[in-house]
This record gives sequence, C-alpha cells and structure tokens, in this order.
Amino acid sequence: QKEVEQNSGPLSVPEGAIASLNCTYSDRGSQSFFWYRQYSGKSPELIMSIYSNGDKEDGRFTAQLNKASQYVSLLIRDSQPSDSATYLCASPSEGYQKVTFGTGTKLQVIP
Amino acid sequence: DADVTQTPRNRITKTGKRIMLECSQTKGHDRMYWYRQDPGLGLRLIYYSFDVKDINKGEISDGYSVSRQAQAKFSLSLESAIPNQTALYFCATRGSGNYGYTFGSGTRLTVV
Repeated sequence: QKEVEQNSGPLSVPEGAIASLNCTYSDRGSQSFFWYRQYSGKSPELIMSIYSNGDKEDGRFTAQLNKASQYVSLLIRDSQPSDSATYLCASPSEGYQKVTFGTGTKLQVIP
Repeated sequence: DADVTQTPRNRITKTGKRIMLECSQTKGHDRMYWYRQDPGLGLRLIYYSFDVKDINKGEISDGYSVSRQAQAKFSLSLESAIPNQTALYFCATRGSGNYGYTFGSGTRLTVV
C-alpha cells in the first residue's frame, strides 16, 4: 500500500467555486504534510504545510488535517483558471529523512 | 539565477550510453535529492544525500549512481541508459528543520 494516496482526477470545478482536494495516508506516525502545486511540464512548488490537527489558512488556500481519520485536504476558494494544475500531497517518512509523495490530483478550473 | 539549477533541461540519448545530469544549488542546504517523475507513478526517490560523505539509496536506485562533489553539487549518472529510464528528473534541496523541498526546473530525458 502506497503511504500517501490521492485520487488522480481530473477534478473539474467552475471558476469561483471551492475546489476540494483530498489525500489519505497510511502511517499513523506521520506528523506533517505538504501540498505542492505543479503546472504541466514544470517543477513542483510548495504552497502549504500543516503540522497539527485542524485548519491552516493562507489566502485562498486552506489545509485541513485529521489525524484520527488519516486524511489531509486542501481547499481552494474562489478557484481561478490559473489554479489549474496537479496538486501533490506529501509527507516526511523514515524519521524525516525524506518525503513521500502522492501521485497527485489534476485540477481543472473551467472559466 | 534559480536557487536550484539543473542541466541539461532536455536530453535525448541512445540506449547503452552513459549520461550525467547535474544539479547545483545556491540555497546553502545540506540535503539534496534526485527524483524521477512518470505519468501515473508520481515522484519516486532515486538517491539522496545529507552531506558530501553521505549518500543513500532511494526506492528506485538500480541503474543509477550519484556523486556529491560539494555541498552545492549533486550529480546523477545513468551508466548504461535504457528506454524505461525515459522520464522527467528533478533535483531538490531541503534545509535542516525545514521539511519543504525546493525543486530544480527538471531534466526531460528521453532514451531511444
């Protein structure tokens, strides 16, 4: 079982709507999570990190962590066409020596 | 200049050839990583290094080797390239205490 799992999508939302991206993980010991955004053909870019249960907000982005249910989500409010990208969920593993990535969810924001 | 620079950006090579991908960084980070990305498989770790004398295998190291020439330089070699090594390769760095990666812009490698 992959340590970090995401639905590959594509997830299509209309412009201005809330996009909800989800990620589940298998290691109950995982303490922190990251969301990266990757435009087609480009490198991943870190957009959010979350270390404790609950919500963390940064502009239009909100990361949510539920350790009991072992899932982490990313909400994008007022979605824009420029948000169309693949979103990667990631978590440190093996004593924080490296990071394991999910396969990513492709988001399409329809104008 | 980019914080993490990868060269070349694109490369087409023939089966059996030796090829080196280079990565240099100006962030002063001690941790450096090589990942490959394939459609549907996501980012998979090839090798990582915490300092010049520390090299560790990742989940898919077979067919690859690395060299950490200096704190700022980490090279990936394919000793004898094969077609299933065709992929997008990323170098990444991370500072101690900061778990987010900074990625280079990637090398698109095609083995024919």
